[in-house]
Amino acid sequence: KAGVTQTPRYLIKTRGQQVTLSCSPISGHRSVSWYQQTPGQGLQFLFEYFSETQRNKGNFPGRFSGRQFSNSRSEMNVSTLELGDSALYLCASSSMTAGETQYFGPGTRLLVL
Amino acid sequence: GENVEQHPSTLSVQEGDSAVIKCTYSDSASNYFPWYKQELGKRPQLIIDIRSNVGEKKDQRIAVTLNKTAKHFSLHITETQPEDSAVYFCAAMGTAGNKLTFGGGTRVLVKP
Repeated sequence: KAGVTQTPRYLIKTRGQQVTLSCSPISGHRSVSWYQQTPGQGLQFLFEYFSETQRNKGNFPGRFSGRQFSNSRSEMNVSTLELGDSALYLCASSSMTAGETQYFGPGTRLLVL
Repeated sequence: GENVEQHPSTLSVQEGDSAVIKCTYSDSASNYFPWYKQELGKRPQLIIDIRSNVGEKKDQRIAVTLNKTAKHFSLHITETQPEDSAVYFCAAMGTAGNKLTFGGGTRVLVKP
């Protein structure tokens, strides 16, 4: 099976702009989780989608949002970008139930200038 | 919420020696504990995981132990090789969906 894919791989934006990142899970996987990775804060959970519904949410401001489509592909959106949003955004997919192994995509590296 | 602490933050070992990384978690409801290896510029890769109904799991040179009572789990790498050099993350997951809480990471350097 093909692995988790993310697009774009690299992105440069300026403060105040918005950005949309995309994640395609492993075929057959219905759960997609998003994480932010920064040198200072490490790996932090953003949110999880399962069957087009947000099942979990981390402690991030409302500028961070996401959605999942009927084919399990997921997008996350960050509005009104701030310098501190510069990070590697990783998505991970798992098959179905809670407690399933998560497989990570290569990430989207976002730089906010 | 869940909190995972990981120690040490850096670990330097001689090739062939063992490496041990320790993690503690706060939520007694957590029941799934994966370990990921992340090489520079790469995605985190699952190397081993353990569930709360098991005390120990081994896969070749890698083993993980879990002490539910003390709420800590450890990664053991034996006969380390230069390709084991990477950042290792422990994580914990509860029963409410697929939310992983990660430790801060351990940078492992294996010196030839």
